[in-house]
Amino acid sequence: GAVVSQHPSWVICKSGTSVKIECRSLDFQATTMFWYRQFPKQSLMLMATSNEGSKATYEQGVEKDKFLINHASLTLSTLTVTSAHPEDSSFYICSAPQGSNEKLFFGSGTQLSVL
Amino acid sequence: DAKTTQPTSMDCAEGRAANLPCNHSTISGNEYVYWYRQIHSQGPQYIIHGLKNNETNEMASLIITEDRKSSTLILPHATLRDTAVYYCIVNPPSGTYKYIFGTGTRLKVLA
Repeated sequence: GAVVSQHPSWVICKSGTSVKIECRSLDFQATTMFWYRQFPKQSLMLMATSNEGSKATYEQGVEKDKFLINHASLTLSTLTVTSAHPEDSSFYICSAPQGSNEKLFFGSGTQLSVL
Repeated sequence: DAKTTQPTSMDCAEGRAANLPCNHSTISGNEYVYWYRQIHSQGPQYIIHGLKNNETNEMASLIITEDRKSSTLILPHATLRDTAVYYCIVNPPSGTYKYIFGTGTRLKVLA
C-alpha cells in the first residue's frame, strides 16, 4: 500500500517553543492531507484539512494561529504547534488519501511532550 | 459525531475467529464502510472497505447486512499481533474524506 512518512516520531520541548511536524506521501501525490490529534485512551480527533496551494480548513474549536499548517507541495504537509504548552502534549497523526476509492493512509504519528 | 457505534472491547482466543460488529444505521447510499485498526502508539492501518457486497482480502473479511445498517469485520484466525483498537468508519468514496473516528473496539487476543 501507499506510504505516508511522518517525522519526528517523538519530540520533547519546553513550554513556549514551537514544534514542526512533517508529513510526506512517499510514493504518491496528495493534494489533500489530514491532521489528527489523539489523547491517551481516546479516539482520533480531526484537527484540520491541509490543501496543497491553499489555506487549510480547520475543524471547529481548533485554533488556526496555534496550529499552523503548510502544504507547499504535493507530497509534503507540515503542522507547526506554536508557543506550545503542556496541554498541547498529544499524539499527532497525519493522513493522505490515495488510490481507487481513495483510502486514507496514515503516518506513524508524532508524540509531542511539552514540559 | 461519529456515524458508527461499536462495542468498547472484546476478547478473542488466539487462533479463533474474531468477529467485530459495527452499527451504522444512518449510512447514506453512497457511503462506504471502512475498517482500520490502530496498534498502540502507531498510526491507523487500513484493513478493508466495502459498499454493499461482502469483501475479503488477505487480512480480513467484511460482511455488510443487506440493509447496510450494520457490518461485521472478521479476522479468521486471530493472532496476538491482532491486538489493537479497531475502527469502523463510514464515508463517501471521494470528495469528502472527513473520517470521523468513533471510540472503536479494543480487541484483545488471548494466548
